[in-house]
Amino acid sequence: DIQLTQSPSFLSASVGDRVTITCRASQDISSSLAWYQQKPGKAPKLLIYAASTLQSGVPSRFSGSGSGTEFTLKISSLQPEDFATYYCQQLINYPLTFGGGTKVEIK
Amino acid sequence: EVQLVESGGDLVQPGGSLRLSCSASGFTFRSHAMHWVRQAPGKGLEYVSGISSDGGSTYYADPVKGRFSISRDNSKNTLYLQMSSLRPEDTAVYYCMKDRCSSINCYGRVIDYWGQGTLVTVSS
Repeated sequence: DIQLTQSPSFLSASVGDRVTITCRASQDISSSLAWYQQKPGKAPKLLIYAASTLQSGVPSRFSGSGSGTEFTLKISSLQPEDFATYYCQQLINYPLTFGGGTKVEIK
Repeated sequence: EVQLVESGGDLVQPGGSLRLSCSASGFTFRSHAMHWVRQAPGKGLEYVSGISSDGGSTYYADPVKGRFSISRDNSKNTLYLQMSSLRPEDTAVYYCMKDRCSSINCYGRVIDYWGQGTLVTVSS
């Protein structure tokens, strides 16, 4: 199975901060990576697919980059509604594994 | 508007069985592969199973292989997960997800919608 390692697992930040989350894959997954946002008690929501393509309706402050084994999700200016847990998922090999998550909390 | 609504979650004893359903609307269900993912309380996400648009191809993660069965009824726009020999470690919220691809073997896969989930609790 492909292992995805997210870092940090926890992040404390303020409104307006720039935030970067990293996802490292245990083997080359090309650009087959997605990022999801999950709020408490809710289903995950797709933010980014194919490593860098913004899902329709997602604010442009979210961006994704990377290929191969190293990927990043950036939030250019953190908004109150962005406090949530973020997961990466690889979509190239079964099982379609997830990273362990990054919880973004208010400082 | 795409909607995925799971149902069937319940409290069940170890060794018991349960069938989850996922009712789909707002898209052409028969044209899309579908998946199940689960999330144990307070934990991360774990991939469970996937099925092609025509139901002819399936995949199961090792922890559920031989115990769970995924299926679909395209005439009813419904996805199913039949779970048997349930264990306490199967306790989780189970989500169904829509794939943009029709095949379960697809380069450039995008999973774009999730349901709200249904809770399965395995306990005596």
